[in-house]
Amino acid sequence: NAGVTQTPKFRVLKTGQSMTLLCAQDMNHEYMYWYRQDPGMGLRLIHYSVGEGTTAKGEVPDGYNVSRLKKQNFLLGLESAAPSQTSVYFCASNNRGEQYFGPGTRLTVT
Amino acid sequence: AQSVAQPEDQVNVAEGNPLTVKCTYSVSGNPYLFWYVQYPNRGLQFLLKYITGDNLVKGSYGFEAEFNKSQTSFHLKKPSALVSDSALYFCAVRDDASGGSYIPTFGRGTSLIVHP
Repeated sequence: NAGVTQTPKFRVLKTGQSMTLLCAQDMNHEYMYWYRQDPGMGLRLIHYSVGEGTTAKGEVPDGYNVSRLKKQNFLLGLESAAPSQTSVYFCASNNRGEQYFGPGTRLTVT
Repeated sequence: AQSVAQPEDQVNVAEGNPLTVKCTYSVSGNPYLFWYVQYPNRGLQFLLKYITGDNLVKGSYGFEAEFNKSQTSFHLKKPSALVSDSALYFCAVRDDASGGSYIPTFGRGTSLIVHP
């Protein structure tokens, strides 16, 4: 039981490049979330999903897109990366209780 | 609406002394309350939660938290701090009247530093 996994762990992008962050969970959770963590800002919700095939916007969705084609996977896409998207990204899942977090992806946009 | 506040950015305590990390919340309905810990370069780990029942909740690594409805607080405590407890601690709240997305609101985090 791996819990929540994220790939990649680190990535450096140039402004304007695109990438996809993958989150996978093996706990059969319905609910999945993408957060970004910046110094002094705490955790901010980007997008979330309440089940396979559904997605919704969170607090800071601009510049990001998501997809939940399979229940166990939640993908976060950056179509045209900007330096303001330099951050640590965390995926989480829950089954109506506490959140289970992945180890994070550290993204730098130059 | 739901909100949570962690009034201290940093708490310093000597090893062996008791520690308290403060959290207050605001909800429309009944609160579901959580504490998480984050070690450097790691994801958040769940410590404990209050849903209903006893006001004193025990969790991982010897931590406990006390739910106080009249003061709308959920402070994290440990009787004897360890240097290895040094980390970032997050309080989170979810309002049971917030609908079906089960989204908690997180505090900004409190950095706990335990001095040898």
